[in-house]
Amino acid sequence: EVQLVESGGGLVQPGGSLRLSCEASGFTFSSYWMSWVRQAPGKGLERVASINQDGSEKYYVGSVKGRFTISRDNAKKSLYLQMNSLRAEDTAVYYCARLASGGVFDYWGQGTRVTVSS
Amino acid sequence: ENVLTQSPGTLSLSPGERATLSCRASQSVSSSSLAWYQQKPGQTPRLLIYGASSRATGIPDRFSGSGSGTDFTLTISRLEPEDFAVYYCQQYGSSPYTFGQGTKLEIK
Repeated sequence: EVQLVESGGGLVQPGGSLRLSCEASGFTFSSYWMSWVRQAPGKGLERVASINQDGSEKYYVGSVKGRFTISRDNAKKSLYLQMNSLRAEDTAVYYCARLASGGVFDYWGQGTRVTVSS
Repeated sequence: ENVLTQSPGTLSLSPGERATLSCRASQSVSSSSLAWYQQKPGQTPRLLIYGASSRATGIPDRFSGSGSGTDFTLTISRLEPEDFAVYYCQQYGSSPYTFGQGTKLEIK
């Protein structure tokens, strides 16, 4: 059974940093692109960042470029999102998701909540 | 960026009825790279349809997807109580991948 378990969310002040983690199990982690997708309160879904199988290719949505860094450790079957210079508009539930079939998010974690507020 | 517009914003129907949800793209979606997701309150999104019309693993056959180019449809043939949720379309034919704003399917 595919499982994705996120951790690391919390309350942080504007300008602060957080590191999100996602631990994967039930599939060959090193064979898949992985992504972070976020959902602001009462809003829709937005792909934040993606990373390919060996970490050599990365994608970021424009609003987080230069502030967020996606990475992975295939030996630990883990995905990470380092978030710096956080803004109020980064407040959201952040989901770890597996990318399959060319761009479909076929499995999602339960999400971790990030709140940026003073 | 390929903007996806879903309609209606809210759809009020009764169990047993047929639901038709629309997703319109601002540009043609290449290779019918269009997916649908279901999200129930407080839950994680679940993949329903990919490639515009292929059901994901374990999805009941009352869910079907159709369309091509810029116009896509998700149809739920006979609504079950557990189908009332928010539905999102997503295109993955061009970067950046984009989601629609969602259609809320509520019980009438």
